Amino acid sequence: DAGITQSPRHKVTETGTPVTLRCHQTENHRYMYWYRQDPGHGLRLIHYSYGVKDTDKGEVSDGYSVSRSKTEDFLLTLESATSSQTSVYFCATGRTSGSYEQYFGPGTRLTVT
Amino acid sequence: DAKTTQPNSMESNEEEPVHLPCNHSTISGTDYIHWYRQLPSQGPEYVIHGLTSNVNNRMASLAIAEDRKSSTLILHRATLRDAAVYYCILSGNNQGGKLIFGQGTELSVKP
Repeated sequence: DAGITQSPRHKVTETGTPVTLRCHQTENHRYMYWYRQDPGHGLRLIHYSYGVKDTDKGEVSDGYSVSRSKTEDFLLTLESATSSQTSVYFCATGRTSGSYEQYFGPGTRLTVT
Repeated sequence: DAKTTQPNSMESNEEEPVHLPCNHSTISGTDYIHWYRQLPSQGPEYVIHGLTSNVNNRMASLAIAEDRKSSTLILHRATLRDAAVYYCILSGNNQGGKLIFGQGTELSVKP
C-alpha cells in the first residue's frame, strides 16, 4: 500500500473561517488529487497536481485552492468555509495518468457549522 | 469524459462467484477501464484495470468485451469482506489520470 496520510482526520470549523487540509505521500508519485464525497454524489474531483507547482481544476473547484511546493505534500485550502463544503475529503496519488492505479488516503471528515 | 453505467446494487452469497457488469458504449480507443471499490468508512481501493485484453490479479478478474463497450469484474469467491461499492471508471492517458466516479454498484454478500 502507498504511504498516504491525511491531516487532520476530523475537523469542525465555523462558517467563514479558512481551513487547510494536508495530504502527505511517501511514494514519490508524480500525480496527486483531491476528491470530495457526499451522499448521493459519489466522489468528485476538486483539484489535481501533475507535478510540483503544476495544478489544475477538477469538476468542483469553486471555493477551493491547492498548492504543491514539494512532491510529497498537496494542500487543499478552503479560503472561507461554507456549510456546503461539509464533506469527506480524500486525497489520492498516482505514478502517472490513465494506465496506472491511484492510491487513496483514509479521508478527512470536515464539518462546517 | 466517457460515462459508465452500472446497476445500483447486487447481492451475492458467500463463497460464490460474483459478476459485476459495466457498460461504457462511448469508450475511446485510449481509455483504460479501471475498477475501484470502497469499503464502508474507507477510501476507495484499486481493484484492477485493463485496456483490451482480459486481466487477472490476486483480487479479481476483468473481462473486457471484444468491442470494449462493456466489461465485467469477476470476484471468484465472494467473502463478507468483499461487501463494498464497486466503481467502474474510464481514464485516458491524456486526462491527467482523472477518475470520474459514478454511483457504482453496492455489493452485499450474504453468509
